[in-house]
Amino acid sequence: DVVLTQTPSTLSATIGQSVSISCRSSQSLLDSAGNTYLYWYLQRPGQSPQLLIYLVSNLGSGVPNRFSGSGSGTDFTLKISGVEAEDLGVYYCMQATHAPYTFGAGTKLELK
Amino acid sequence: QVKLLQSGAALVKPGASVKMSCKASGYTFTDYWVSWVKQSHGKSLEWIGEIYPNSGATNFNEKFKGKATLTVDKSTSTAYMELSRLTSEDSAIYYCTREDYSGLYFDYWGQGVMVTVSS
Repeated sequence: DVVLTQTPSTLSATIGQSVSISCRSSQSLLDSAGNTYLYWYLQRPGQSPQLLIYLVSNLGSGVPNRFSGSGSGTDFTLKISGVEAEDLGVYYCMQATHAPYTFGAGTKLELK
Repeated sequence: QVKLLQSGAALVKPGASVKMSCKASGYTFTDYWVSWVKQSHGKSLEWIGEIYPNSGATNFNEKFKGKATLTVDKSTSTAYMELSRLTSEDSAIYYCTREDYSGLYFDYWGQGVMVTVSS
C-alpha cells in the first residue's frame, strides 16, 4: 500500500500566521493518464472530516481561498495563508491513485 | 442539500456482527459511489471499501475483505455496512461518504457511527 508521510505531526500557530503541511508519498501519485489523485481533508474536533482540496490544487466547495494545495509526483503541500480560529483541527492528506486509497497520519494544527 | 445520516452507536460482543446504515438525501443516490472509512480511537483514517448503488458493484481494501459486507437499498436510498466476527480491533468510528468518481474524492461525509466491541 502507498504510505503517505505527513510533516509536521503537530503545528502550533498564531491567528494570522501562514503555515504549510507536507505530504510525501512512497510512490508517485501521477497515473498513466496524467492525473494525480491527491486530496486534503480537515477534521475539526468532534466532527467528521471535510474536503478541502481535491486533485492536488482544486479548492473544495465553500472552502476559503486562504487554503491552497500544490505539488507533484511524490511531494505535496497544503498552505494556509493566515490561520483563523476555525482552521484548528487535524489535517489529512489522502491518495486515490493506487488501490487501496490511503491517508496520512494527520497533522494537528493548534493555537500557540 | 446533500446529507448522509448514519445509524446510532452500537455496543456489541466479541464474535458478533453489527450492521450500520447510511441514509442519503439531497441527491440522486444511484449516481454516486458510497465509500466507508474507519477511524480507530485517536488515530488516522482507513478506507474500507466502496459500493455503486446503481449496480451493487463493490471494491474493497484487501484488509477488510471478509470483515465488511456492503449493500444498498435503492428504494430507500440507504447504504449498509455489516462487520462480522468482531474483535476489539473493530472498535472505532465508521463513516460513510459520498464519492465523486470523476475525481475520486469524498465530498460529503456522514456523522459517523461509534462501534464498541466489549463483553
